[in-house]
Amino acid sequence: AQSVSQHNHHVILSEAASLELGCNYSYGGTVNLFWYVQYPGQHLQLLLKYFSGDPLVKGIKGFEAEFIKSKFSFNLRKPSVQWSDTAEYFCAVTEGRRALTFGSGTRLQVQP
Amino acid sequence: KAGVTQTPRYLIKTRGQQVTLSCSPISGHRSVSWYQQTPGQGLQFLFEYFSETQRNKGNFPGRFSGRQFSNSRSEMNVSTLELGDSALYLCASSFRTSGGPSTDTQYFGPGTRLTVL
Repeated sequence: AQSVSQHNHHVILSEAASLELGCNYSYGGTVNLFWYVQYPGQHLQLLLKYFSGDPLVKGIKGFEAEFIKSKFSFNLRKPSVQWSDTAEYFCAVTEGRRALTFGSGTRLQVQP
Repeated sequence: KAGVTQTPRYLIKTRGQQVTLSCSPISGHRSVSWYQQTPGQGLQFLFEYFSETQRNKGNFPGRFSGRQFSNSRSEMNVSTLELGDSALYLCASSFRTSGGPSTDTQYFGPGTRLTVL
């Protein structure tokens, strides 16, 4: 069965620290990869996506993610986090015409 | 462009009742998907509709059903509610073309928070 793993459930960082959130998936074929963010009290928003081409994808608000096919990973990074980045982050994967499968989410808390 | 809208935003029901949730997609989007979000299970896919036809279905019991209308608006129905159905139900729309892969970005609505007492 398809699965997406986010190993970090709760991350606490200070402002200006660097961020890396892990995401691994278990598909064998061609995948489409997404990172969504859910700020407190707001709905899910797309941060970035990868379909093909350059495996390093840049998204909104300074986020980026790197697709490493050999490791089945799509980790999210940001060089310097801000207090406003406090949110829950979800990795999601789809293959072919299958529906999106989400990871369990990572709650990021940035302390001022 | 207006975003995905969901009504109602909050709902309280008792066990055994049924409930209908509504979703209006972004104008021009023809695909609507429904998800259930709970603290324990996270985000789980319920079903997807495209051109009034169910295209994908998740692993939920038959008490969960949906439909899509010709204007792409969608409704989700849960019959014989159970306590475990308490969740945030999210609707997402995308400009998915018929037969195409799932490469289109899904845009999510604010959700309907259902509480079953």
